[in-house]
Amino acid sequence: QKEVEQNSGPLSVPEGAIASLNCTYSDRGSQSFFWYRQYSGKSPELIMSIYSNGDKEDGRFTAQLNKASQYVSLLIRDSQPSDSATYLCAVLNSGNTPLVFGKGTRLSVIA
Amino acid sequence: ETGVTQSPTHLIKTRGQQVTLRCSSQSGHNTVSWYQQALGQGPQFIFQYYREEENGRGNFPPRFSGLQFPNYSSELNVNALELDDSALYLCASSLGQGGGYTFGSGTRLTVV
Repeated sequence: QKEVEQNSGPLSVPEGAIASLNCTYSDRGSQSFFWYRQYSGKSPELIMSIYSNGDKEDGRFTAQLNKASQYVSLLIRDSQPSDSATYLCAVLNSGNTPLVFGKGTRLSVIA
Repeated sequence: ETGVTQSPTHLIKTRGQQVTLRCSSQSGHNTVSWYQQALGQGPQFIFQYYREEENGRGNFPPRFSGLQFPNYSSELNVNALELDDSALYLCASSLGQGGGYTFGSGTRLTVV
């Protein structure tokens, strides 16, 4: 069974610090990787996608992918209280397989 | 360009009843996926429709069924509701079967 694992948290960081969120996946055939942010009671919002090994930066967000280790991470620099949310890691194989989500990591940024 | 819209936003049903949830996909998107998200859990895949055909299904019983229409909008039907069906139901659309998903705002279903 294809699985995506995340620490549930909560992960607490002070305002201005770097938040590091981690995710591992079981399916070596996975090709596309996504990070979603979900505020309480709201739907997931796509914040980053990554498809090849290495780093991808977008503003304060950096996604890192290591396919050999089956590991993907999200770094949030200069964390703000508004970043407090649950972050969902999602993985996609090829073809018509569905997007598989982890349970999410709850991040709390303390002002 | 409109996003993904879902209706209704909230719904309360009694155990044993039936419910229909609706989703309009983002303009140009031909694939719709439905997810169930229980409190404190990640979204769980229910099924996916591509060009009006179901082409993937998760571990949900047959009382969960769906449709996709020619305009790519979709319905999720749940029969014989159980208390454990209480969850946030999410619809996501994408262009093709390998792209990023755009989620609607969800339908909060409460079964009492």
